[in-house]
Amino acid sequence: DVKVTQSSRYLVKRTGEKVFLECVQDMDHENMFWYRQDPGLGLRLIYFSYDVKMKEKGDIPEGYSVSREKKERFSLILESASTNQTSMYLCASSASQGSGGANVLTFGAGSRLTVL
Amino acid sequence: QKEVEQDPGPLSVPEGAIVSLNCTYSNSAFQYFMWYRQYSRKGPELLMYTYSSGNKEDGRFTAQVDKSSKYISLFIRDSQPSDSATYLCAIWGRNAGNNRKLIWGLGTSLAVNP
Repeated sequence: DVKVTQSSRYLVKRTGEKVFLECVQDMDHENMFWYRQDPGLGLRLIYFSYDVKMKEKGDIPEGYSVSREKKERFSLILESASTNQTSMYLCASSASQGSGGANVLTFGAGSRLTVL
Repeated sequence: QKEVEQDPGPLSVPEGAIVSLNCTYSNSAFQYFMWYRQYSRKGPELLMYTYSSGNKEDGRFTAQVDKSSKYISLFIRDSQPSDSATYLCAIWGRNAGNNRKLIWGLGTSLAVNP
């Protein structure tokens, strides 16, 4: 019954390492999102994608990049991890809203990243 | 002023209590109102989704929207220990720049004690 799968639940990386977080959805959704969640700051949008090979910056894209080569897969890349990127990372997907309707997201279980 | 305000709690209630969770928002153009529930170490999951003012019921849960006051609520009747989670409000609509946007509250942590 799993619909949005994040490949790693817990990661520990060192400062300066390149980090890949993978997300796969099986609902044929057009839209995919990467958020990070921190105590007191809530959910903050990093990047999103409305279609294959398309990406848009969210509210906090600095230090991150993304890749969407296939419709079902959306990857988040930390080119050089830093300690302030220690966080819970959440991937989500949604169907296209067309001209109306709300953006109802289905989330994965999250990836807890610790950067030492 | 934040676009969505939500008291982070924590809120602690005895089993069987009626719980009221609330959010306020600033932009009257927002149209869709959602409540997500997030258990510890899990991703958020959609609980309720409403469009218009008024109430919407789903079992023990009632979502209420008052667009004139820009105020949304989630009521939980006969609360159970399994309701212990963080509840996030999320609001969707067009902002001042006519961009469609999903805005999240910070979440309210709820503990229901047996």
